[in-house]
Amino acid sequence: RKEVEQDPGPFNVPEGATVAFNCTYSNSASQSFFWYRQDCRKEPKLLMSVYSSGNEDGRFTAQLNRASQYISLLIRDSKLSDSATYLCVVRVILSGSARQLTFGSGTQLTVLP
Amino acid sequence: DVKVTQSSRYLVKRTGEKVFLECVQDMDHENMFWYRQDPGLGLRLIYFSYDVKMKEKGDIPEGYSVSREKKERFSLILESASTNQTSMYLCASSLGETARGFFGPGTRLTVL
Repeated sequence: RKEVEQDPGPFNVPEGATVAFNCTYSNSASQSFFWYRQDCRKEPKLLMSVYSSGNEDGRFTAQLNRASQYISLLIRDSKLSDSATYLCVVRVILSGSARQLTFGSGTQLTVLP
Repeated sequence: DVKVTQSSRYLVKRTGEKVFLECVQDMDHENMFWYRQDPGLGLRLIYFSYDVKMKEKGDIPEGYSVSREKKERFSLILESASTNQTSMYLCASSLGETARGFFGPGTRLTVL
């Protein structure tokens, strides 16, 4: 079983739609959670951190359920520019200052005009 | 702003060649990572390092080694390149107490 699992998609949605991505992680020692965005032929970049209380950044809302080991990302009023691959990322603190980032394989989103 | 640079954007090598991929970050980050990214498989961790001369195996270390002699530089070595190592290689770094990972632009390696 993969440590971080995501639905690969693709998700094809019309402009203005609301779309939700889910992610599950298997390591209960995971301590921090993130969503990254990767555009075609570019490197991944941090979209937002995910906090237990849930957090919002404009049209983006991230949720974490530690009991179910589940993370979600909701995009409201989707724009053409939201088309990208969204990567769920989990951080585990191993020891001292050793941190391991584990990435899901990504969910591909295409927003259609 | 943090900058992570990789020595080459594109590289073509022959089977059996020794390949060095270099990564340099300029923000004094403790943690550095090497990933490979393949279609349908996502980003897979090869090796990471949390301090100079320290290294830990990731999920797919076979066929690779790493070197971290200086804090800012993390090298990935393919001792004898094989065609199944054709991939996009991404280096990342992060500060110890915050987990935001900064990625380099990637090296697309083709092994013929």
